[in-house]
Amino acid sequence: GAGVSQTPSNKVTEKGKYVELRCDPISGHTALYWYRQSLGQGPEFLIYFQGTGAADDSGLPNDRFFAVRPEGSVSTLKIQRTERGDSAVYLCASSLGQPTGANVLTFGAGSRLTVL
Amino acid sequence: AQSVTQPDIHITVSEGASLELRCNYSYGATPYLFWYVQSPGQGLQLLLKYFSGDTLVQGIKGFEAEFKRSQSSFNLRKPSVHWSDAAEYFCAVGARPGAGSYQLTFGKGTKLSVIP
Repeated sequence: GAGVSQTPSNKVTEKGKYVELRCDPISGHTALYWYRQSLGQGPEFLIYFQGTGAADDSGLPNDRFFAVRPEGSVSTLKIQRTERGDSAVYLCASSLGQPTGANVLTFGAGSRLTVL
Repeated sequence: AQSVTQPDIHITVSEGASLELRCNYSYGATPYLFWYVQSPGQGLQLLLKYFSGDTLVQGIKGFEAEFKRSQSSFNLRKPSVHWSDAAEYFCAVGARPGAGSYQLTFGKGTKLSVIP
């Protein structure tokens, strides 16, 4: 597509529930990133995919968070047993995938997660 | 580990006035440097980037930034602010090749308000 698409744009859930957030990157972009932006903070890195594999998942806060990208395009971020502290905007970005910090990322509008 | 400091949480300027947003970074060498802008409900948009060469870089929407190695700074400037520039601005650093990191590290952002 023309841009990075994220669904849902808003998700309200109850503590303890399971949620999935979807990201559809720009066609042809091999690299995909998930970031989390809490209120009043800058985006914080969660995970980076190069193709189908997670090349760097060092930013995932704990084992309740998991992400997949089975066909090297669409990615899903999965959060189990949600907690109120998980409330944030989850941003997805994609790039052509140079293996350096020089990647120019194109961001989606984000999925706002609210855990009650 | 790399880090970014944006010392100003909120700045208010009059339309037509000049603007400078500050960014200081911590990194063992010269990192890749970026400025992104985020409007409400929108994804982050790249304003400009510095990889090497001329330390004064031009970006979109009339913005420019100057890399100063001695001060570990990458301040964003615009000579005349327009009301549409009201948004949140994020400085970010990316690691050089060989660092084994593909993530961008963002500052906490500076919110810009513009008085008509």
